Amino acid sequence: NAGVTQTPKFQVLKTGQSMTLQCAQDMNHEYMSWYRQDPGMGLRLIHYSVGAGITDQGEVPNGYNVSRSTTEDFPLRLLSAAPSQTSVYFCASRETGGSYNEQFFGPGTRLTVL
Amino acid sequence: AQSVTQLGSHVSVSEGALVLLRCNYSSSVPPYLFWYVQYPNQGLQLLLKYTSAATLVKGINGFEAEFKKSETSFHLTKPSAHMSDAAEYFCAVSYTGTASKLTFGTGTRLQVTL
Repeated sequence: NAGVTQTPKFQVLKTGQSMTLQCAQDMNHEYMSWYRQDPGMGLRLIHYSVGAGITDQGEVPNGYNVSRSTTEDFPLRLLSAAPSQTSVYFCASRETGGSYNEQFFGPGTRLTVL
Repeated sequence: AQSVTQLGSHVSVSEGALVLLRCNYSSSVPPYLFWYVQYPNQGLQLLLKYTSAATLVKGINGFEAEFKKSETSFHLTKPSAHMSDAAEYFCAVSYTGTASKLTFGTGTRLQVTL
């Protein structure tokens, strides 16, 4: 199993550009989520999904869109990039059935917005 | 609202010394508590979790944590630090519910010196 994979690993954008961060998992997990990590702030939840066709907002959703058309994939779209979105982005997944289940994290995407 | 507080953004110990990383939680319902570790330029990896079974939880790499309801704490310990333990450690909380979100603390960076 590859686990949770994310592409790209690094990305530089100019203000106003859009892009999609890709996330895929091969563990048949229903629950998937996106976090951003900023120094001194830990990880903050952007969006999450409890299954295909179902998404919801987390703590910091503004400026980001998600969709979940398949169990495996959960892409994160930046609509119009801003310097405040410079961060490291992590995708995670876990089994359904309970929030006591371990979340598995991808290796992250380091995004810089100029 | 649920939250966790990690006291000390940086902790430095000598190799062979006791490691103690502090985490206090705030939750209106019985929590599930987690410790994750992040090595440089990597994603997060689960160290251990508390899910209302035994209050003393043993994890990987010799770490353990004790759930103390009276103190609302879930501190992480390791009897003898090793150079390879140098990393950032995150405490996180969730609660009952399939869609329950995982809320992270701000992290503690552990430095191990010779």
